[in-house]
Amino acid sequence: EVQVVESGGGLVQPGGSLRLSCAASGFIFSSYSMTWVRQAPGKGLEWVANIKQDGNEKSYVDSVKGRFTISRDNTKNLLYLQMSSLRAEDTAVYFCARLQWLLPGGYFDSWGQGTPVIVSS
Amino acid sequence: SYELTQPPSVSVALGQTARITCGGNNIEGKNVHWYQQEPGQAPILVIFRDSKRPSGIPERFSGSNSRNTATLTISSAQAGDEADYYCQVWDGRNVIFGGGTKLTVL
Repeated sequence: EVQVVESGGGLVQPGGSLRLSCAASGFIFSSYSMTWVRQAPGKGLEWVANIKQDGNEKSYVDSVKGRFTISRDNTKNLLYLQMSSLRAEDTAVYFCARLQWLLPGGYFDSWGQGTPVIVSS
Repeated sequence: SYELTQPPSVSVALGQTARITCGGNNIEGKNVHWYQQEPGQAPILVIFRDSKRPSGIPERFSGSNSRNTATLTISSAQAGDEADYYCQVWDGRNVIFGGGTKLTVL
């Protein structure tokens, strides 16, 4: 069974840092691009970042560029999101998802339950 | 940047057909994917590549994409279909989600 499980969320002060993790199982992790998507309280889904299979190609939404870093460890089947200079507007549930690549654009076929991040003093 | 427009809410009578639209400039040139999200739950893929259903998704769910509007159609709507629905496309290297539509089954 394909499964992704996020962890690492919590309460952090503005300007602080946090690292989220996503543990993958049930599929060949190194064969798939992965993504982070977030959802602020009462709001819609917002894509955050993608990373290709080998970790060499990454893309980010403009609002997190320079502050967030997506990475992966294919030996441990882990996806990460390092978040720094956190702002109140980064408060959200962060979902990890597997990307099924498709031209001209892929879709997310397996999602975790999410991990909440609260940025507040 | 590319934008997707969804109606904030759609209502449908039990057993009738619900249609949720997703508007975007020349959206027919893109793959449109749809997700269902119940409160407090993770999103679930219900339609990919405009009209394909993943395994396990009922045939009542279908999709279409033409010119500037993609549509998710839910026939014989059931109480369990009540949820938020999001469309999704790519714009270059960026992923774009629609604002979401809350489906109410009356």
